[in-house]
Amino acid sequence: GAVVSQHPSWVICKSGTSVKIECRSLDFQATTMFWYRQFPKQSLMLMATSNEGSKATYEQGVEKDKFLINHASLTLSTLTVTSAHPEDSSFYICSAPGLPGYTFGSGTRLTVV
Amino acid sequence: AQKITQTQPGMFVQEKEAVTLDCTYDTSDPSYGLFWYKQPSSGEMIFLIYQGSYDQQNATEGRYSLNFQKARKSANLVISASQLGDSAMYFCAMRELTGGFKTIFGAGTRLFVKA
Repeated sequence: GAVVSQHPSWVICKSGTSVKIECRSLDFQATTMFWYRQFPKQSLMLMATSNEGSKATYEQGVEKDKFLINHASLTLSTLTVTSAHPEDSSFYICSAPGLPGYTFGSGTRLTVV
Repeated sequence: AQKITQTQPGMFVQEKEAVTLDCTYDTSDPSYGLFWYKQPSSGEMIFLIYQGSYDQQNATEGRYSLNFQKARKSANLVISASQLGDSAMYFCAMRELTGGFKTIFGAGTRLFVKA
């Protein structure tokens, strides 16, 4: 079946630094990738939709300059958390549309100290 | 605007018994899809079952079945013969087919299976 590989699984970074999270579709082409954020014991909140070859679409309230999304190829989408702060600590997970269900990456747990 | 509601923060079920997890939705789009996902403590999202708005029959996948009541806008998940490994967070989700595949998730229900 379709697989989305997400790396890293977890990362600890210092406040003020940037962190890049990658999602690769391994055996299919993902023209669209969705990026979600999940706080502990809460639901998934859609942050943005990346589309190969065009600018990402951000949900209301999501800072475009804070969360840089790039969809460089049909198999790679990246989320960069710039100038990270402790409040950016969260679980980030990507997903690609599938039939019928989405294929999710395994998630990245980001801790900013 | 589309909306998903899961009113059960937590549920307990005895091993080998059936359990129903509730989900109601709201949408003005006549074409939509409803999903259930399982999220174990590891964080991965596991697709369980799908129901299309035009599907006449309730979806079933092994021990999972979706009780789709369109007029009531409900899409409850039924897990039969619960197993200890079913303990996890369960999310109901909806995708409006005119919405560019964007999917929204309910708040989730944590299921605890007792031995």
